[in-house]
Amino acid sequence: NAGVTQTPKFQVLKTGQSMTLQCAQDMNHNSMYWYRQDPGMGLRLIYYSASEGTTDKGEVPNGYNVSRLNKREFSLRLESAAPSQTSVYFCASSSRSRWTGKPGATNEKLFFGSGTQLSVL
Amino acid sequence: GEDVEQSLFLSVREGDSSVINCTYTDSSSTYLYWYKQEPGAGLQLLTYIFSNMDMKQDQRLTVLLNKKDKHLSLRIADTQTGDSAIYFCAESPRANQAGTALIFGKGTTLSVSS
Repeated sequence: NAGVTQTPKFQVLKTGQSMTLQCAQDMNHNSMYWYRQDPGMGLRLIYYSASEGTTDKGEVPNGYNVSRLNKREFSLRLESAAPSQTSVYFCASSSRSRWTGKPGATNEKLFFGSGTQLSVL
Repeated sequence: GEDVEQSLFLSVREGDSSVINCTYTDSSSTYLYWYKQEPGAGLQLLTYIFSNMDMKQDQRLTVLLNKKDKHLSLRIADTQTGDSAIYFCAESPRANQAGTALIFGKGTTLSVSS
């Protein structure tokens, strides 16, 4: 049982290059997330997918696109990388399903991948 | 909007108790969480507390919740060097708000010296 697997672990890009970060989970979770972690900024949500076939913007979506390929996989794409996108990227998943309209109704236990360290020069 | 605040650093000696504090803003949060991040790794859920509880104890960990003041704390008894890590407080926002998942604080770096 691997949990949440992210690839690659490290990547260096030149400004303007594109790349896709891959994420897969084997826990049959409904929801998947992409966060970025920057010094002094904590974790910020880029995009999330509450279920297969749906994606929604988070706090910092600009410059990124996502694809929920199937229930297991959720990829993050940088179409034209910028130095401001230098960060550590984390994928996460949880068993939380669609919003029920009940505030705080679900215990949101997130499981994280080990991260991708991306440098954009 | 929602915000979760934590102090950025805490330094303790091995064997002492550590107390990491957190304040949050969303009074509707039903669950509050503590995650631990060791160097070079992703976050791991450490413990959580349901909002109708004041305290939860799990071995060396004690979580205290003051819902009136929206204050959460994590106490680690007999702190060990292996406890050195970044600790994140997180709240679960209103379920009907789009674009949100857990709201994380910026993390408290705990440094344990022997």
